[in-house]
Amino acid sequence: GQSLEQPSEVTAVEGAIVQINCTYQTSGFYGLSWYQQHDGGAPTFLSYNALDGLEETGRFSSFLSRSDSYGYLLLQELQMKDSASYFCAVAVSGNTPLVFGKGTRLSVIA
Amino acid sequence: GAVVSQHPSWVICKSGTSVKIECRSLDFQATTMFWYRQFPKQSLMLMATSNEGSKATYEQGVEKDKFLINHASLTLSTLTVTSAHPEDSSFYICSAAGGSNEKLFFGSGTQLSVL
Repeated sequence: GQSLEQPSEVTAVEGAIVQINCTYQTSGFYGLSWYQQHDGGAPTFLSYNALDGLEETGRFSSFLSRSDSYGYLLLQELQMKDSASYFCAVAVSGNTPLVFGKGTRLSVIA
Repeated sequence: GAVVSQHPSWVICKSGTSVKIECRSLDFQATTMFWYRQFPKQSLMLMATSNEGSKATYEQGVEKDKFLINHASLTLSTLTVTSAHPEDSSFYICSAAGGSNEKLFFGSGTQLSVL
């Protein structure tokens, strides 16, 4: 089977940095994606890592270590609007559906 | 980025009726679309993979006769919940892959409430 583990909830202060970890055990690995979902809304794509290392996109960065089956999403300069659920997802192969983690609910407080 | 349109946004229906949800890729062609179901504060559960011009591939435990999927064109996939019951009440979301399955574009979702 496929499994992805990420913390269920994280709370951080506005302006701070937060890291959301994701470990995975899957039958194959093509890449790790991150999605953001606000309450009542649809998920939106944030980032994708196919190779080891750090990918930076503005305030958000994503890291992957394939040897450790581990990745994380790093959010800097947190803003209240960053309060949302964040899902990691694994592409097991190039033509199969993504497998999603259970999501991490991030609460940004003043 | 690519846009996926999903309608309706929410629907309330009586038990026993059927509900059709449409998912359209507005500015790209999607040979493959995915349908998910999501309960409050839970993850996305893949229901089926919709392939243009062929039968959908359903995940284990999903009743294909209850959740009818049609992908008649490269820009439209529909999900019909037949003979809906209160336990079918959920948030249904479609998605399409713009070029590869790693980057999905999601519709806005449909909140279905069956009375």
